[in-house]
Amino acid sequence: DAGVTQSPTHLIKTRGQQVTLRCSPKSGHDTVSWYQQALGQGPQFIFQYYEEEERQRGNFPDRFSGHQFPNYSSELNVNALLLGDSALYLCASSLNWWRGIGYTFGSGTRLTVV
Amino acid sequence: EDKVVQSPLSLVVHEGDTVTLNCSYEVTNFRSLLWYKQEKKAPTFLFMLTSSGIEKKSGRLSSILDKKELFSILNITATQTGDSAVYLCAVVLGGGATNKLIFGTGTLLAVQP
Repeated sequence: DAGVTQSPTHLIKTRGQQVTLRCSPKSGHDTVSWYQQALGQGPQFIFQYYEEEERQRGNFPDRFSGHQFPNYSSELNVNALLLGDSALYLCASSLNWWRGIGYTFGSGTRLTVV
Repeated sequence: EDKVVQSPLSLVVHEGDTVTLNCSYEVTNFRSLLWYKQEKKAPTFLFMLTSSGIEKKSGRLSSILDKKELFSILNITATQTGDSAVYLCAVVLGGGATNKLIFGTGTLLAVQP
């Protein structure tokens, strides 16, 4: 049973660039949520996707955008990268966004902005 | 503003010790509380608590929720070096923010041989 898969595992980008991170949810899950975890901090909610629509959003600027595909996989895009965007980006999948069944995290993408 | 606070921020113990990790919360619409263990990257699920006073157990780990006093504790008995990790507490929101997770900063546990 495949868990949550994220790619790439590590990424180094320059300030001002754009980045796309990818997530495949656990088999049977239909909802994907994205979190940003800065060093020494707990994960912060970015947004959540269900049925290819953004259902909820945290306190992140519009530079952070996302997409969910018909197969439930998802992308997180960050434009105009800042040094402060350096963090571990975690994807979590669950079943039925309003019920939040089986919240499962991927191993994350470590983004470094230089 | 919804807030989850964990204490202590870090803890160093010796193998065999018992530890208690604390999590308090102030949120507008509580649905449930989750505990995760994060060793390298992916937080792995430990417990989900929804009702007060009912202890959840898994081997040497146990957890309980107090919805009146707005806190939860995670106990680990007979600690082992493999318990070394960051332990995260998260509150699941309901209502208009359904199933959004609010995390604490975590407790870094180091178990020395």
